[in-house]
Amino acid sequence: EAQLVESGGGLVQPGGSLRLSCAASGFTLNRNWMHWVRQGPGKGLVWVSYINSDGSSTSYADSVKGRFTISRDNAKNTLYLQMNSLRAEDTAVYYCARGDGYSLYLWGQGTMVTVSS
Amino acid sequence: QSALTQPRSVSGSPGQSVTISCTGTSSDVGGYNYVSWYQQHPGKAPKLMIYDVSKRPSGVPNRFSGSKSGNTASLTISGLQAEDEADYYCCSYVGSYTWVFGGGTKLTVL
Repeated sequence: EAQLVESGGGLVQPGGSLRLSCAASGFTLNRNWMHWVRQGPGKGLVWVSYINSDGSSTSYADSVKGRFTISRDNAKNTLYLQMNSLRAEDTAVYYCARGDGYSLYLWGQGTMVTVSS
Repeated sequence: QSALTQPRSVSGSPGQSVTISCTGTSSDVGGYNYVSWYQQHPGKAPKLMIYDVSKRPSGVPNRFSGSKSGNTASLTISGLQAEDEADYYCCSYVGSYTWVFGGGTKLTVL
């Protein structure tokens, strides 16, 4: 069964850094576009970032551009999100999702990131 | 990258039909046939229900259907069931490999 499992969330101070991981199983990551999506407490879904199948193309929401970096290690079947200069407004559950065409077909269970002093 | 506009809440009785709208612009919803819809139960991950405006993934009941007219996409759920009570989000491709979600709609089954 195909699944995604995120890890790496936690409590970090404003201005700090955190790296999220998303491990894929049951399918080969290198055939798919991948995304990160976040959801603040009691809020809606917000698309954060995209990466193509070989990692040569990436894109970001304006709110995280220049602070977050998406990457992938296809040999390890793992997706990453490096988050720097974190702000209180980055507090959210972060989901990774497998793209299928222009939709987000398979989602992980999410990992919580809390930015607070 | 402004969020797409959805009603905050809709409701219906079991067996009835409800429609959730998703309004954008010609740069997103109106510009591409890449609107998708996601169902999210409390504390759970989102689930893809409709993709490419009107296509259903395998396993999604045919009670769920999607459409688009101009800059507005719609999700219709017919024959409402108790388990359909959830939050629903639309999402549109916006070009340059970027996407935008709607604000979400809470569906209550009365």
